[in-house]
Amino acid sequence: GQNIDQPTEMTATEGAIVQINCTYQTSGFNGLFWYQQHAGEAPTFLSYNVLDGLEEKGRFSSFLSRSKGYSYLLLKELQMKDSASYLCAVSTFPYNQGGKLIFGQGTELSVKP
Amino acid sequence: DSGVTQTPKHLITATGQRVTLRCSPRSGDLSVYWYQQSLDQGLQFLIQYYNGEERAKGNILERFSAQQFPDLHSELNLSSLELGDSALYFCASSVSVAGGRVNEQFFGPGTRLTVL
Repeated sequence: GQNIDQPTEMTATEGAIVQINCTYQTSGFNGLFWYQQHAGEAPTFLSYNVLDGLEEKGRFSSFLSRSKGYSYLLLKELQMKDSASYLCAVSTFPYNQGGKLIFGQGTELSVKP
Repeated sequence: DSGVTQTPKHLITATGQRVTLRCSPRSGDLSVYWYQQSLDQGLQFLIQYYNGEERAKGNILERFSAQQFPDLHSELNLSSLELGDSALYFCASSVSVAGGRVNEQFFGPGTRLTVL
């Protein structure tokens, strides 16, 4: 089956660093995505990993270990506007057979002053 | 603004009715995906179209159907609606399924469906 796990909730302080973990067990793997979603709004793309290692994009970094079925999203210099749900998603099909994403339940991050 | 448009933004209807949700992908994107997001379920993949053809199917109910038209816009049809169909329905688009990598999906603003 397909299983993607992430913590339900996290709290962090403005200006701090927070790491949101994601573990996955899927039939096939073709990339892992992180999305940010504010309540009632559309998910917005943050980062993508297909090979092991760290991808850095400004205040956001994402890490992938395929052998461990593990990824994390690192958010630095937290701002109040970073309070949102963070969704881990895995693409399970080869690119030429589709590209659907399997999403985790999301981690609700609250940033406190 | 992702460039993906969805109409209507809100839809309120009664059980047993049929509705159509519409999505226009970003300019140049050939793939369209439909997702359902309810409070207790998270984002669930429904169906994908690529350049007019169905490419992948998720846990889409038989009461639901979709199509992608020659101009690449897509419609999701929901029939015999039940209370449990109340959810946010998102459309997403991506450049292509070809080209050697999985491309990120860009999500529209969603249609909030309420079935009374």
